[in-house]
Amino acid sequence: RKEVEQDPGPFNVPEGATVAFNCTYSNSASQSFFWYRQDCRKEPKLLMSVYSSGNEDGRFTAQLNRASQYISLLIRDSKLSDSATYLCVVNGRGSTLGRLYFGRGTQLTVWP
Amino acid sequence: NAGVMQNPRHLVRRRGQEARLRCSPMKGHSHVYWYRQLPEEGLKFMVYLQKENIIDESGMPKERFSAEFPKEGPSILRIQQVVRGDSAAYFCASSPQTEGSEKLFFGSGTQLSVL
Repeated sequence: RKEVEQDPGPFNVPEGATVAFNCTYSNSASQSFFWYRQDCRKEPKLLMSVYSSGNEDGRFTAQLNRASQYISLLIRDSKLSDSATYLCVVNGRGSTLGRLYFGRGTQLTVWP
Repeated sequence: NAGVMQNPRHLVRRRGQEARLRCSPMKGHSHVYWYRQLPEEGLKFMVYLQKENIIDESGMPKERFSAEFPKEGPSILRIQQVVRGDSAAYFCASSPQTEGSEKLFFGSGTQLSVL
């Protein structure tokens, strides 16, 4: 079983739409959770960390459900510039700091 | 303030040749990580280094791959006798490694193509 599983998509949505991505992870001892963004095979860039209580950054909202080992990302009022691949990323207790497990990513295309 | 610098951006090698990939971490960062992304796959951890030390190489293939981070100069990922299956994007990342920080800053990657 993979460490991190994501629906690869693609998700194709119009500008202004709300879209949600989900992710599950296998290691119940995981302690750190992130969403990264990757454009056209360029380098991944940190979008936001995910905290137990849930957190919001502008149009982006991340949620964590430890019991279900489930992470979500909600994007409101989608922009054309949101088109990218969104990577769900986790670490684990005791793992080397910086050793992250990446999902394959969910592809999003926002059309005008 | 320059970010993580990787070179070359693209590297073409024939089967059996050696590939050397270089990475200079962000200023002030002394911890370097190498990740590999195969086509249509997620990034996979390879190795974690500090200056002159390999901390975790559990993600490195057992043969042909090696990494170093000398006291002076960039970190080097070396692949000997490359095969077609080595074709991938290789990303280097660095972190400030302050307590509790696991946020990685990635370089733009080296795309290795093996003919």
